[in-house]
Amino acid sequence: QSALTQPASVSGSPGQSITISCTGTSSDVGGYNYVSWYQQHPGKAPKLMIYDVSNRPSGVSNRFSGSKSGNTASLTISGLQAEDEADYYCSSYTSSSTPWVVFGGGTKLTVL
Amino acid sequence: EVQLVESGGGLVQPGGSLRLSCAASGFTFSSYEMKWVRQAPGKGLEWVSYISSGGSTIYYADSVKGRFTISRDNAKNSLYLQMNSLRVEDTAIYYCARARGAAAGTSMPYYFDYWGQGTLVTVSS
Repeated sequence: QSALTQPASVSGSPGQSITISCTGTSSDVGGYNYVSWYQQHPGKAPKLMIYDVSNRPSGVSNRFSGSKSGNTASLTISGLQAEDEADYYCSSYTSSSTPWVVFGGGTKLTVL
Repeated sequence: EVQLVESGGGLVQPGGSLRLSCAASGFTFSSYEMKWVRQAPGKGLEWVSYISSGGSTIYYADSVKGRFTISRDNAKNSLYLQMNSLRVEDTAIYYCARARGAAAGTSMPYYFDYWGQGTLVTVSS
């Protein structure tokens, strides 16, 4: 069982917006602004999409945005495109124990 | 361009050993902390091991402690993972990743800005 809870799947039509949630505790998501999000296409390596809750690395589309409220972080993808279909993982710093990083179980995004 | 290229995976019997390598290029390898992260077939991501930029600080997940050894050679821009006493449950794609961030209090990195393409380790009889 993963430390952070994500929905197993979400879906949306091209052009729509979707949000993926990531729920933790006060020891991780709720306690720090150290949440990151990764996109993984089948057979590919994960790609960093968001760090520090809402920061986008250079080169990541501004259609991707992150936020946090309490113990739940969210990734929002606006203007859905077919290429956004992938698995998405959240991650957070945790004060609980080594290695100070916990992952969510992943969410499969389907673009209808 | 930052590149991380893993190698060394393969099929091994339970109880066997493998040594994974990760060749880094496009950045000053010796300045960055690194981690190994694995992904079992159809499963999520799991942190395996961490090494500081100079190699003096090392951590392992409980699931691999005592069996795996992480190391690095900054002169060769390379990261390694020696895996001994392999178990069926170690079957996974193993990724090396560049660790970033410095959490307040611990200064530990908490996200990964570049990942390799992964190398598949299959433990089976």
